[in-house]
Amino acid sequence: DSGVTQTPKHLITATGQRVTLRCSPRSGDLSVYWYQQSLDQGLQFLIQYYNGEERAKGNILERFSAQQFPDLHSELNLSSLELGDSALYFCASSAQGGVNTEAFFGQGTRLTVV
Amino acid sequence: QQPVQSPQAVILREGEDAVINCSSSKALYSVHWYRQKHGEAPVFLMILLKGGEQKGHDKISASFNEKKQQSSLYLTASQLSYSGTYFCGTDTFGNEKLTFGTGTRLTIIP
Repeated sequence: DSGVTQTPKHLITATGQRVTLRCSPRSGDLSVYWYQQSLDQGLQFLIQYYNGEERAKGNILERFSAQQFPDLHSELNLSSLELGDSALYFCASSAQGGVNTEAFFGQGTRLTVV
Repeated sequence: QQPVQSPQAVILREGEDAVINCSSSKALYSVHWYRQKHGEAPVFLMILLKGGEQKGHDKISASFNEKKQQSSLYLTASQLSYSGTYFCGTDTFGNEKLTFGTGTRLTIIP
């Protein structure tokens, strides 16, 4: 158990809908990262927050947004869902904001868009 | 740009050694290695920073050749528990984000 909690574990939704994925980082970790993992793309970095502020942005679609709250939990919002958004979404956390720190991954949320 | 990992897949018998390579077309500041077992989250193995250092713990070690923009992960006397997909993540200088390779699937058989 990495200490990072993601909910829900599984999500099935229809195209065009909007969903919210939630992540609670390890106790004391200030940085949260979101990754998308699909079979053909591997692990794709989406976005990073550090202590409530956006720190780095990757290949995140405009339909996706994220935020980190004062209690340090984070949410990833996916809207106008398409079939191609079906993937495993991981949240990871680390103690510091720099990229060169060990990150601990949650178990992921498997999103299926039908 | 995504780093290239090789081989894409390898099958070994327990006790054999393996080398997994990670190459980038861009100058690297650091390389991160993770292992992911099927249906589980990636687990951190190690970070190598520029400077050509080599790291290791237990029978897993790695090297980082900054000039060649390459890193190699060495698994010695492989155990069944080493099975999984190994990912390298690269940080190009000042980029502040990791770009992961497509992974190397390692299967250890008794």
